[in-house]
Amino acid sequence: EVVMTQSPVTLSVSPGERATLSCRAGQSVSNNLAWYQQRPGQAPRLLVYDASTRATGIPARFSGSGSGTEFSLTISSLQSEDFAVYYCQQYNRRPYTFGQGTKLDIK
Amino acid sequence: EVQLVESGGGLVQPGGSLRLSCAASGFTFRTSDMHWVRQTTGKGLEWVSAIGTGDDTYYPDSVKGRFIVSRENDKNSLFLQMNSLRAEDTAVYYCVREGNNWAFDDWGQGTLVIVSS
Repeated sequence: EVVMTQSPVTLSVSPGERATLSCRAGQSVSNNLAWYQQRPGQAPRLLVYDASTRATGIPARFSGSGSGTEFSLTISSLQSEDFAVYYCQQYNRRPYTFGQGTKLDIK
Repeated sequence: EVQLVESGGGLVQPGGSLRLSCAASGFTFRTSDMHWVRQTTGKGLEWVSAIGTGDDTYYPDSVKGRFIVSRENDKNSLFLQMNSLRAEDTAVYYCVREGNNWAFDDWGQGTLVIVSS
């Protein structure tokens, strides 16, 4: 099983500032990496797939990068609706696995 | 608009069984690979099962031999038969559509399963 490790666990950032979230895979997952956003009381929502491709309807302030074992999600200018929990997931091999999440808090 | 609506969750005793359903609409169900993903407070998100368009099925070791995923394309429906349930199966279960990109494009609102005596 590919272990996905996200850091930090919690990130406190002010609105309008930039946030960078990290995700590390225990072995190479190529670029088969997705990022999801989960707001309280809601299901996860796909933000980025193939490590760097934004899903349909996702604002340009969200950008993903990386390949192999090191990945990041950057939100360029935080809006109020962006404060949520973010998960990375590898779909390179089964069992598909998720990171434990990074909670993005308002500073 | 893609819609995935889960049902069938509830309270069940350890060792019991439960069958979850997912009603799909807004896309061509028969040509989509589908998944179940569960979420607990302690373990986060965990992939539970997958079923391909050819009815090929896949499971992680944690549920293999206890859970069975199936689909009825004529009814645009996905199912998860859960047997020999354990306390650690307590979670919100999501029905998920896999996109052409292999990521999990669309999620239902989830159904809560509680395994407790």
